[in-house]
Amino acid sequence: DADVTQTPRNRITKTGKRIMLECSQTKGHDRMYWYRQDPGLGLRLIYYSFDVKDINKGEISDGYSVSRQAQAKFSLSLESAIPNQTALYFCATSDLGREGTDTQYFGPGTRLTVL
Amino acid sequence: GEDVEQSLFLSVREGDSSVINCTYTDSSSTYLYWYKQEPGAGLQLLTYIFSNMDMKQDQRLTVLLNKKDKHLSLRIADTQTGDSAIYFCAESISGDKIIFGKGTRLHILP
Repeated sequence: DADVTQTPRNRITKTGKRIMLECSQTKGHDRMYWYRQDPGLGLRLIYYSFDVKDINKGEISDGYSVSRQAQAKFSLSLESAIPNQTALYFCATSDLGREGTDTQYFGPGTRLTVL
Repeated sequence: GEDVEQSLFLSVREGDSSVINCTYTDSSSTYLYWYKQEPGAGLQLLTYIFSNMDMKQDQRLTVLLNKKDKHLSLRIADTQTGDSAIYFCAESISGDKIIFGKGTRLHILP
């Protein structure tokens, strides 16, 4: 069973619609992240959360919001989707390891298309 | 500022060694990572190196770190078709967040 799951895996929507992408993890990690991946731009951090009461903006948070409903759940919302939000979205978790490493564990991704 | 740079593409013949290079700007990096992304999947950690090391070997993978030049490389020996993927370099800044490069797409030639 996957440790980090994302739903939906694919979504096509129209400009102006509200969309929620969900992420669940069974790794027991405190830290969770949302990234978007665009061709040639790599991964860009949207929001991150180090525990249930902690939410931080990443480098491209405009147009997005998040909710950390529980340690295991972190959802990303697009309040009013626009075409340039068409991308592959990844959720990730991490926990500072024994050696201080911050290995990230990624979900399978959600492909979002905004028409 | 924080930035991680790597070339976007690399083509290598099957059986040869692949060397993927990366440069970073933040000298306070504690760990540097290499992640692999196969088609249609998320990223998976391949290996990491602590900033006070200069080399780490793990089977076919060798990571070299030149802290003075802020240069990191990943060498894959005896490259196979299954190594075809996008490879991301990343740095950890004081255990706070991870900065990823744009990824190098490794293409294997027959």
